Amino acid sequence: DIVMTQSPLSLPVTLGQSASISCRSSQSLLYSDGDTFLSWYQQRPGQSPRRLIYKVSNRDSGVPDRFSGSGSGTDFTLKISRVEADDVAVYYCMQATQWPPSFGQGTKLEI
Amino acid sequence: EEQMVESGGGLVKPGGSLRLSCAASGFTFNAYNMNWVRQSPGEGLEWIASISSAGGSIYYADSVKGRFTISRDNANASLYLLMNSLRVEDTAVFYCARTRHKDFDLWGQGTLVTVSS
Repeated sequence: DIVMTQSPLSLPVTLGQSASISCRSSQSLLYSDGDTFLSWYQQRPGQSPRRLIYKVSNRDSGVPDRFSGSGSGTDFTLKISRVEADDVAVYYCMQATQWPPSFGQGTKLEI
Repeated sequence: EEQMVESGGGLVKPGGSLRLSCAASGFTFNAYNMNWVRQSPGEGLEWIASISSAGGSIYYADSVKGRFTISRDNANASLYLLMNSLRVEDTAVFYCARTRHKDFDLWGQGTLVTVSS
């Protein structure tokens, strides 16, 4: 099974500044069709997860362009520009390239 | 509006059974593969089961294989999870989640299952 490792696990940030979360996979997430199935989820306190980014860098509908995803192979990054109070949440990466799908441990963004 | 609503959670004793339901609305349910994902208190997310759009393909995590059964009723746009032989470590919030682009693009609000004597 593919193991997803996020860092840091806790990320204190200042409002208006940028934040970056790293996600590394134990194997390449490049699928045989050329796509890479790495996604990012936001889970605000008391809420269910919400997908922000799919296939590394594609934003879901309604997701502010302050959120961006990048990376390839085994190394991926979620960047949040101009952090707002509403961004306080736990962020998870997930791989769906290889069965079974697996999540990172989560990164808690704190203001 | 696309949404899914889980129900059926509650308190159950170790060794007991519970059936969770997930009612979908606002989208063509039978066009999507569906999943159950759980989150233990204060912990991360764990995928536990998937079922294809027509129900012909089913997969389970090793942690629940042989104890949990995923099923669906496309006529009623509903997803189910039958949980038998429940253990204390199965205590979690259970989410139904829709598959799109191979990962999970839509989640329900979750239902809490507590296994305790």
